Amino acid sequence: QQQVKQSPQSLIVQKGGIPIINCAYENTAFDYFPWYQQFPGKGPALLIAIRPDVSEKKEGRFTISFNKSAKQFSLHIMDSQPGDSATYFCAASYDYKLSFGAGTTVTVRA
Amino acid sequence: DTGVSQDPRHKITKRGQNVTFRCDPISEHNRLYWYRQTLGQGPEFLTYFQNEAQLEKSRLLSDRFSAERPKGSFSTLEIQRTEQGDSAMYLCASSLIDSYETQYFGPGTRLLVL
Repeated sequence: QQQVKQSPQSLIVQKGGIPIINCAYENTAFDYFPWYQQFPGKGPALLIAIRPDVSEKKEGRFTISFNKSAKQFSLHIMDSQPGDSATYFCAASYDYKLSFGAGTTVTVRA
Repeated sequence: DTGVSQDPRHKITKRGQNVTFRCDPISEHNRLYWYRQTLGQGPEFLTYFQNEAQLEKSRLLSDRFSAERPKGSFSTLEIQRTEQGDSAMYLCASSLIDSYETQYFGPGTRLLVL
């Protein structure tokens, strides 16, 4: 069963827009929530990650918001650029095992 | 390039044939993971090694699948008697034991079973 639910499946924004991707989980044992970026023909690359004791984390133009009580977290891409066009996966883990969402394909139009 | 490497990058085979994939992790990483990714889905955990020991196998890993990591270095994933349902991207990742959450992925091997 899918332990992490991700939405939307795809989205299109104009350059400079802020794509927002949402994820939800059920397993309260998860203690680490990374986001991965994947370009066609490449493996996923770690983008940013958060632990449940933090409500927000920013790294460059990428921000994770985390709501522990709602068991939801989201990725915001500020000032998006065409080079950000990729598939983004949220994930959750405890110990070593990552459980991934189904992915969101983001297209940033110039 | 000192990242995770995988070989081959693409493999086309006929149903019933055996295939073997190789993964070379980042050199100092003692944990190695295999995932499978089908079209439009996120990667799914298959198995992982700590050094040469295989510590867990997912229920997704049927008896036709076997993985090894001799001497705790590179790893191989073999699929025997391939089926069309085995068509997927097979991803390898590696990490250090004390930062196991930070897994670095290779480019994957895309398998197509005809």
